[in-house]
Amino acid sequence: AQKITQTQPGMFVQEKEAVTLDCTYDTSDQSYGLFWYKQPSSGEMIFLIYQGSYDEQNATEGRYSLNFQKARKSANLVISASQLGDSAMYFCAMTPNNNDMRFGAGTRLTVKP
Amino acid sequence: KAGVTQTPRYLIKTRGQQVTLSCSPISGHRSVSWYQQTPGQGLQFLFEYFSETQRNKGNFPGRFSGRQFSNSRSEMNVSTLELGDSALYLCASSLSIVSGGPSFHEQYFGPGTRLTVT
Repeated sequence: AQKITQTQPGMFVQEKEAVTLDCTYDTSDQSYGLFWYKQPSSGEMIFLIYQGSYDEQNATEGRYSLNFQKARKSANLVISASQLGDSAMYFCAMTPNNNDMRFGAGTRLTVKP
Repeated sequence: KAGVTQTPRYLIKTRGQQVTLSCSPISGHRSVSWYQQTPGQGLQFLFEYFSETQRNKGNFPGRFSGRQFSNSRSEMNVSTLELGDSALYLCASSLSIVSGGPSFHEQYFGPGTRLTVT
C-alpha cells in the first residue's frame, strides 16, 4: 500500500513570501496521481493542484505549483506570495487507481502579517 | 453546479447505537469515497463506491459499512458505536470512470458530518 509522508507538522511564513510544503511518497506503482488539498478551519477540503506521474512538466495553478521529483518520490507544494487566507492545514494525497486515495498527516501553515 | 452535500452536519450518539450518514455527490460524478478524520489518526480512507459497487476499502472493522444507490448517492453506516468513532466523516465525489491510470481525477469534498459519541 502507498504511504504519504509530510514531515512538517507546522510551518510559518511571512505574508507575501513564498513557502514550500514537503511531501514524499512510497509506492511500487508506476502510474499514479498526486494531489494537494487545503483544509481551512471550517473543515471543508479544497482541491488545489494535481500532478500525474507521467506528466513531464510540473503542475501550476495560480499561486500554487508542484515541485515534482519522481526519482526522489517527492511532490512538494510551493505557494508564492502568501496571503493571510492561506493559513490552513495542507494535505498531500496520492492514488494509483482512482478508487483509493491516501493522505499524509498534513502541515499546518500559518501566514504572519 | 451544486457541490457535494452531506447530512446531517452534526450528530451526537451514545455508545452502542448505530448511525447512518448520507452523501450526495456532484451531478455526473459516479465515484463516492468516505473518509474518517480524527486529530490522532488524521484522514483515513474508509471505502469507495462506483456504480453501486464497492471498489476498495480501507482498514476499518466490519462495523463500518456503506452503500451506493443508482443515483450515485451514498450512505455509510456505523453500528455499535464506540467512543473512538467520534470524528469528522468526509465524503468526496469524483468523475473517476475507470480504475487505474494514466489519468487521475481530483476528488471534491463535502462539508463533513461531525459525529460525537458519548
